[in-house]
Amino acid sequence: GAGVSQSPSNKVTEKGKDVELRCDPISGHTALYWYRQRLGQGLEFLIYFQGNSAPDKSGLPSDRFSAERTGESVSTLTIQRTQQEDSAVYLCASSSHNEQFFGPGTRLTVL
Amino acid sequence: AQSVTQLDSQVPVFEEAPVELRCNYSSSVSVYLFWYVQYPNQGLQLLLKYLSGSTLVKGINGFEAEFNKSQTSFHLRKPSVHISDTAEYFCAVYSGGYQKVTFGTGTKLQVIP
Repeated sequence: GAGVSQSPSNKVTEKGKDVELRCDPISGHTALYWYRQRLGQGLEFLIYFQGNSAPDKSGLPSDRFSAERTGESVSTLTIQRTQQEDSAVYLCASSSHNEQFFGPGTRLTVL
Repeated sequence: AQSVTQLDSQVPVFEEAPVELRCNYSSSVSVYLFWYVQYPNQGLQLLLKYLSGSTLVKGINGFEAEFNKSQTSFHLRKPSVHISDTAEYFCAVYSGGYQKVTFGTGTKLQVIP
């Protein structure tokens, strides 16, 4: 595709449910990042994949959060037992060397 | 480790006045530097980047930034702002050593008519 895509664009869920967010990076981009952006706040780094290296999970806020990536393709971010404080926009970005290209984000609302 | 510090969380400025948004970085290796902009209710887009060569980098919408290695800074400037420049601006650093991009916390630019 022409850019990074994310799905769904919006997700409303009930507290305690699990959610899965998807990111399709730009073809050929070896690096993929997940960020969280709470309302009115900056970017919060969550996790980083680089090729076949072990992912950098240093930003994941709790063990309820996990992410996977198969090779250099699609990535999924899973949040288990969602809490209201998980409500935010979840952004995905991919890059080939240094410049990041961002997807439109998934707006997650936990009721 | 590498880090990015944006000293000002909010910067109010009158329309047609100049503005400087400050960014300092910390890295033990050579770096690439970026400014991204996020307009209200929109995604992030690249404003400008420094990879090598001239330390003065020009970007879109009349913005420019200067890489200062001795001061480890990459401040963003515009000589005359417009209402449409109201947005949040993020500074970011990438180094080959860490092979990872690190973002600052962002600066909200509020242009006052």
